[in-house]
Amino acid sequence: EAQVTQNPRYLITVTGKKLTVTCSQNMNHEYMSWYRQDPGLGLRQIYYSMNVEVTDKGDVPEGYKVSRKEKRNFPLILESPSPNQTSLYFCASSSDSYEKLFFGSGTQLSVL
Amino acid sequence: SQQGEEDPQALSIQEGENATMNCSYKTSINNLQWYRQNSGRGLVHLILIRSNEREKHSGRLRVTLDTSKKSSSLLITASRAADTASYFCATDGNDYKLSFGAGTTVTVRA
Repeated sequence: EAQVTQNPRYLITVTGKKLTVTCSQNMNHEYMSWYRQDPGLGLRQIYYSMNVEVTDKGDVPEGYKVSRKEKRNFPLILESPSPNQTSLYFCASSSDSYEKLFFGSGTQLSVL
Repeated sequence: SQQGEEDPQALSIQEGENATMNCSYKTSINNLQWYRQNSGRGLVHLILIRSNEREKHSGRLRVTLDTSKKSSSLLITASRAADTASYFCATDGNDYKLSFGAGTTVTVRA
C-alpha cells in the first residue's frame, strides 16, 4: 500500500531535549516536505527536499533541521526544542513539487 | 508564504445540501489543489486543477478556477455526514513550494 509513515504519533518532551521525527515513503517519490499546523494558521512549510541530498528552507525553518540521505527517508530534527514548537507536524511526499501530495498521519508534539 | 485564502472560515449545512467554499490567491499559479482533513488527521488530496483548466469534476466534487480573478471554488453536492471536515486549497508558485490556506471547516448536520 502506498503510504507515508511518520513516527511517533504523539510526543511529549521538555525544552532543550533533542528529538527526531521520522518520515518514510514507499512510493519512490523525489519530493518530500515537512509542515506544521497551528490553529488558525493552516499548514506552514518548514523544509522541503527535491531529491537526495537536496534540501531547502520553507517558510518557517528556524529551530529545525532535516536531512535526505536516502530517497525514502526525510527526518525532522529539533536540536533544542522550545515551547513555541508545540504543534501538529506533517510529512508529505509527491512525484514532483507541484503535484498531488501524500501526507503522513501527523505527529502531535508538545514541548514543556 | 501563505498564498491561498479560503472563505468562509466555517460552514454548517444540512445533510443533502450543497456546500460551496472559495479560495483566493495572490500570484500566478501552475496548479491549484484541494485537500480534505478529518479532525487532526493527515490531509487527503481531493482534486488538482491546472491553470489552463476552468472546471473539473470528481464524484460529488466540482472545482472551478478563474485565473483572471485569481480564485477557485469547491462545490460538494448532496453532502453527507462523512463530508464533515476541514478543506484546504493549496497553490504553487515559482518557488517549488505548495502553500496552504487556513482552511474552511465544514459541518454537515444530520
